[in-house]
Amino acid sequence: AQTVTQSQPEMSVQEAETVTLSCTYDTSENNYYLFWYKQPPSRQMILVIRQEAYKQQNATENRFSVNFQKAAKSFSLKISDSQLGDTAMYFCAFMRGDNDMRFGAGTRLTVKP
Amino acid sequence: DTGVSQDPRHKITKRGQNVTFRCDPISEHNRLYWYRQTLGQGPEFLTYFQNEAQLEKSRLLSDRFSAERPKGSFSTLEIQRTEQGDSAMYLCASSSGEGRELRDFGPGTRLTVL
Repeated sequence: AQTVTQSQPEMSVQEAETVTLSCTYDTSENNYYLFWYKQPPSRQMILVIRQEAYKQQNATENRFSVNFQKAAKSFSLKISDSQLGDTAMYFCAFMRGDNDMRFGAGTRLTVKP
Repeated sequence: DTGVSQDPRHKITKRGQNVTFRCDPISEHNRLYWYRQTLGQGPEFLTYFQNEAQLEKSRLLSDRFSAERPKGSFSTLEIQRTEQGDSAMYLCASSSGEGRELRDFGPGTRLTVL
């Protein structure tokens, strides 16, 4: 069974600083997808960034980037130049096949002014 | 198209009552997923449809739960004889066949069972 572990229940960062959220996963598969989703308070979940396991290059989306270490089964999210609007729950997710998306327990990130 | 919508957004019910939630996916998406999210946890997969066919059900989906997608468009999730442990956020998501890994989530229905 695949599991996703987010070891940081809560984190905080000063506005304009950089923060890294960690995620590890367990799988015996070779082909899969990894995702970071953001869930702002009382708002719906939105995709921040995704990574295909067969791609060695780390995905980047503006201020968001990942450090994908396939051998270590690690998939951390780095947020640069943090903004107040980045305050949210962040979920790491793993998917193989058509439907089997598993989520971690989440990290609550607070960006402080 | 304004994205995935869910109705109602909040539902409070008494234990033992039946409740039904509706999800309207993005119109061109043929895949629809239901998740349950309890406080402090990530979403857990419940079931998934491709068009009108229900292709997989999690063991979390007890016999009190039933989901339908009769015309391959909107879907309903019904919980019969609700229990306090059913209190959670029920999320719906949809995706296209080509981009199945890219899911659009709805705002969720928050269920409180008293």
